[in-house]
Amino acid sequence: EDQVTQSPEALRLQEGESSSLNCSYTVSGLRGLFWYRQDPGKGPEFLFTLYSAGEEKEKERLKATLTKKESFLHITAPKPEDSATYLCAVRKAGGYQKVTFGIGTKLQVIP
Amino acid sequence: NAGVTQTPKFQVLKTGQSMTLQCAQDMNHNSMYWYRQDPGMGLRLIYYSASEGTTDKGEVPNGYNVSRLNKREFSLRLESAAPSQTSVYFCASSAEEGNNSPLHFGNGTRLTVT
Repeated sequence: EDQVTQSPEALRLQEGESSSLNCSYTVSGLRGLFWYRQDPGKGPEFLFTLYSAGEEKEKERLKATLTKKESFLHITAPKPEDSATYLCAVRKAGGYQKVTFGIGTKLQVIP
Repeated sequence: NAGVTQTPKFQVLKTGQSMTLQCAQDMNHNSMYWYRQDPGMGLRLIYYSASEGTTDKGEVPNGYNVSRLNKREFSLRLESAAPSQTSVYFCASSAEEGNNSPLHFGNGTRLTVT
């Protein structure tokens, strides 16, 4: 069964304190791994797609990396506006390319 | 561009009542999806439509029906609401089901069934 596990469930950082969020997955035939940001009361907002091990993507203070078993979302010198829940999702190959979501990591950045 | 628009934003139903959640996208996407999000469970797929004229069940379809009205619109209907259907419902769209395009989500409908 496809599984996506995110850790930690919650993370509290001081402004400027860099850290990483983890997404470990088990899926046969990975077609892509997605990172989303979700603000309270809003829908998930797409951040990155990673396709193969070794790939990296960057956007402002965020960098996503991918290995064969996990992905990391590195947050460098975070600001309070980076506070949100970050969701990881994987898409597998097949007749219907099912997308499986993790529960998310709730990040709080304190000024 | 508005992206994916969902209505209503909030709804309270009594057990046994019916309602339809509306979703429209203006990105000319072929594929559309309905998810529910519950605490501690992540997003779960209810139904999807790979292209106009087709619909298929996802992980948790029981108690729901869908209609792909045209390329833009995809509605979700609860025929007889139950307290277990209290959730936040998200509609999403993507360019193509067959490629690896990401999902784009609306801002959700918060449904409470009493």
